[in-house]
Amino acid sequence: QQPVQSPQAVILREGEDAVINCSSSKALYSVHWYRQKHGEAPVFLMILLKGGEQKGHEKISASFNEKKQQSSLYLTASQLSYSGTYFCGTEGYALNFGKGTSLLVTP
Amino acid sequence: NAGVTQTPKFRILKIGQSMTLQCAQDMNHNYMYWYRQDPGMGLKLIYYSVGAGITDKGEVPNGYNVSRSTTEDFPLRLELAAPSQTSVYFCASRPSPSGRWGTDTQYFGPGTRLTVL
Repeated sequence: QQPVQSPQAVILREGEDAVINCSSSKALYSVHWYRQKHGEAPVFLMILLKGGEQKGHEKISASFNEKKQQSSLYLTASQLSYSGTYFCGTEGYALNFGKGTSLLVTP
Repeated sequence: NAGVTQTPKFRILKIGQSMTLQCAQDMNHNYMYWYRQDPGMGLKLIYYSVGAGITDKGEVPNGYNVSRSTTEDFPLRLELAAPSQTSVYFCASRPSPSGRWGTDTQYFGPGTRLTVL
C-alpha cells in the first residue's frame, strides 16, 4: 500500500522551516526518505526505524510515530540546495513510495 | 564502487520497436528493482528480483520482461514499444535483509529517459 504524503507542494524562502509528513495505513517498522532533484535519480536521505533509531547521511532530522504510523521530515533553516521532490518509502520486498512532496526554496 | 549503472541514458524509440535497458550493480546486492517514473509522478515498481534466477512482477509489469542470470545484471526488455511507455526508468538494488525489513535502503541508478514516438 502506497504511503500518503502531505503537503503536495511547499514554497519557502531561504532560512524558513518546513515539515513533510508521510502516513501509512499499515503498521511500520521503518520509513525511508529520499530527495530527488529535477532530472536526477532519488538520493537516500535517512531511515527512521521503530524504536527511534535513525540512519542518515545528512543534517536533516525526522521523527517516527509508531502509534500514528507516521513519519515527519523536518527541514530547518532551509537552503536553496534543499529544493527538490521528497519521497517517503515504506518497507516490503520493494519500497512502496508516496507520490512525493515538491519543495522549492527561493532566495 | 560504481554502484548502480544504467545504459543508455537517453533513447528514442518508434512505436512497435523493442529494446533492452541495461542495469548493473557491483555491490553484490541480491535484490534488484525496476521502477518507472512519469513526469511529476512517483515511482512505480515494474519488476523485481530477489536473486539470480528469481524475478517477480511489480505494480505495472505489462509490456515489459526481465531476466536475472547473474547477481550483477538485471536487464529490462520492452517489446512492441508504445507511447504509454514514455517515461524515466530507474534501476535500484538493495542488500538482502539481515534482520527485519527496512534496515537497509535501496540505491538507485542514474536512470534511462525513454521516449516512444
